[in-house]
Amino acid sequence: KQEVTQIPAALSVPEGENLVLNCSFTDSAIYNLQWFRQDPGKGLTSLLLIQSSQREQTSGRLNASLDKSSGRSTLYIAASQPGDSATYLCAVRRWGTSYGKLTFGQGTILTVHP
Amino acid sequence: GAVVSQHPSRVICKSGTSVKIECRSLDFQATTMFWYRQFPKKSLMLMATSNEGSKATYEQGVEKDKFLINHASLTLSTLTVTSAHPEDSSFYICSATERAGGTQYFGPGTRLLVL
Repeated sequence: KQEVTQIPAALSVPEGENLVLNCSFTDSAIYNLQWFRQDPGKGLTSLLLIQSSQREQTSGRLNASLDKSSGRSTLYIAASQPGDSATYLCAVRRWGTSYGKLTFGQGTILTVHP
Repeated sequence: GAVVSQHPSRVICKSGTSVKIECRSLDFQATTMFWYRQFPKKSLMLMATSNEGSKATYEQGVEKDKFLINHASLTLSTLTVTSAHPEDSSFYICSATERAGGTQYFGPGTRLLVL
C-alpha cells in the first residue's frame, strides 16, 4: 500500500526566504507526482505535475524535483511571500491504478510572515 | 484552465436528512470524477471513483449505501449523503479528469455540518 509522508508538518518563515518542502513515498512504481496548494476552507489548486520520467518541473518561483528511485520529491519556493501561506500537499499516482487514483500526504502548513 | 464547480459550498442539515452535493466540470468533459473527504487539519481521503454511465467504485471502508454517487453525464456527478449523522460532518471535495490517469482538477469543496 502506497504511503506518502510530508515533512515538515508546519513551517513558519520570514518573507523573502527560500524554502524546501519534502515529500516521500513508499512505492516507487508511480505514474506521476503532483504538488497542490490548499487555502483554508478551499479546494486544491494544482501547482506542478512531474511525470515519472521527469526529474523536475518549474513554474515561476516554484521548482519541484523528483527522485523516483529513492521515493522523494521536493518543492522549492524561492523568495517566499506572505501570499504563499497555505497548506501544500503532494500526491502520487501509481502505475496501474485504475482511473488514476491519487494518494495524498498529510500536507505542510506554510506560514510566511512579513 | 479547467474549472470544476461544486454546489452548495456550505450546507447545514438536521440529523436523519439526506444531502446532495453536485460536482460539475465547466469547460471540459470529465470521463472520471473522484470524491474525497477531508477532516480538519487532515489530508484528503478518497471515497469513490465514478465513471460516466457506470457504477461508482468505492474505497474500502466507505459505505456505498450511505454515500450514493451518480455520474449521469460527462459534466456532472452527484454525491448524496443519506440519513446524515453528525459524524458525517466534513469537507467534501470532488475532482474531475478528462481521461484516465490525466491531471485531476479539483472543485472548491462543500462543507457539510450535520446537527
